[in-house]
Amino acid sequence: NAGVTQTPKFQVLKTGQSMTLQCAQDMNHNSMYWYRQDPGMGLRLIYYSASEGTTDKGEVPNGYNVSRLNKREFSLRLESAAPSQTSVYFCASSEYDGNYGYTFGSGTRLTVV
Amino acid sequence: ELKVEQNPLFLSMQEGKNYTIYCNYSTTSDRLYWYRQDPGKSLESLFVLLSNGAVKQEGRLMASLDTKARLSTLHITAAVHDLSATYFCARSPLWTASKLTFGTGTRLQVTL
Repeated sequence: NAGVTQTPKFQVLKTGQSMTLQCAQDMNHNSMYWYRQDPGMGLRLIYYSASEGTTDKGEVPNGYNVSRLNKREFSLRLESAAPSQTSVYFCASSEYDGNYGYTFGSGTRLTVV
Repeated sequence: ELKVEQNPLFLSMQEGKNYTIYCNYSTTSDRLYWYRQDPGKSLESLFVLLSNGAVKQEGRLMASLDTKARLSTLHITAAVHDLSATYFCARSPLWTASKLTFGTGTRLQVTL
């Protein structure tokens, strides 16, 4: 039972490079999310997908795009990485109503130099 | 603006002692979540509190929710070293799990 799987676990990018963070869940959850975690700021929502075929902006969407490829997969793309996007990125999934909480992936530690 | 405020931000406590972490949030129609994060690790779900007066317990941790006061508490009983971690509270509207808003976290250090 893998839960939520994120790849890669670590990545170093140069300013201006692009990359896609991958996320897949095997719990048949409807909703998926991308968060970033910065020191002293908790987790902030970047984008979410309440159900397959829909995506919406969260608190800090600038500089990111997302794709809900199917019910299992939700990817996050940085088109032109900036040092301010250095962070730990977490993908999560839940049932639509959230009554059983969220399941988080193991995170991607991204450094932009 | 939706806000979730935790206090204290850092807590150092001795093994065997009791303490409470407080989580204040800014709207009344919320559900409340508690998570644990070990250094360099992901977040582990501890509790989901859905209604006023809800109380849940797991081992030495007990969480409660007072929606009228917009307050949730995480009470630690007879702390042990294994409870050392960062604890986050988070809220979402009752009608959807989307837009979960996190507090800044409480780093708990349990010493011998």
